[in-house]
Amino acid sequence: AQSVTQLGSHVSVSEGALVLLRCNYSSSVPPYLFWYVQYPNQGLQLLLKYTSAATLVKGINGFEAEFKKSETSFHLTKPSAHMSDAAEYFCAVSDPRGGGNKLTFGTGTQLKVEL
Amino acid sequence: DAMVIQNPRYQVTQFGKPVTLSCSQTLNHNVMYWYQQKSSQAPKLLFHYYDKDFNNEADTPDNFQSRRPNTSFCFLDIRSPGLGDAAMYLCATSRPGRQGRSDGYTFGSGTRLTVV
Repeated sequence: AQSVTQLGSHVSVSEGALVLLRCNYSSSVPPYLFWYVQYPNQGLQLLLKYTSAATLVKGINGFEAEFKKSETSFHLTKPSAHMSDAAEYFCAVSDPRGGGNKLTFGTGTQLKVEL
Repeated sequence: DAMVIQNPRYQVTQFGKPVTLSCSQTLNHNVMYWYQQKSSQAPKLLFHYYDKDFNNEADTPDNFQSRRPNTSFCFLDIRSPGLGDAAMYLCATSRPGRQGRSDGYTFGSGTRLTVV
């Protein structure tokens, strides 16, 4: 079974500061990994994904994440936070066998951006 | 734009009164999913369709059913909603990865269900 753990249910940063949201995975096979963002009363939007190509993945809105097998991590970063980044962020994992169909989500991290 | 559309965005139903939530997609994706998301929690997979094949999660209550009459539409039926079923219900689609690659999911905006 696969799972992801997101450390920190709430993260607060100042506008312009580095954003770091942590995600560690557990998987018996090399996984596919994803980050999604959810704004209030909205569905989830894909930020970026790792599917066994480059370990440093760039996504939308200036976010990126690095797959580190030795640390079983896939942390999400953004060099400079913007007020519009305030949202909930979910890390997710899927099993690449069978095309990577089923996603298992972490419990989410609420990002707050302060002036 | 190709997308996943959920109707309605907000649904209020009475305790025990059957309710149906709908999802449509213009992406022509093979797989459609229904997730339940309670406040401040991760989305939880209820079931999914791979084409016409229905796949129920082991811990999904019998109270929840689904129909997929064609590629574009998928419905979530809650036979007797309880107060504990109040949640955001998210529909998502995906195209199975080719050559080991996955495109992830495309989500609808969700339906927020209130049970009174």
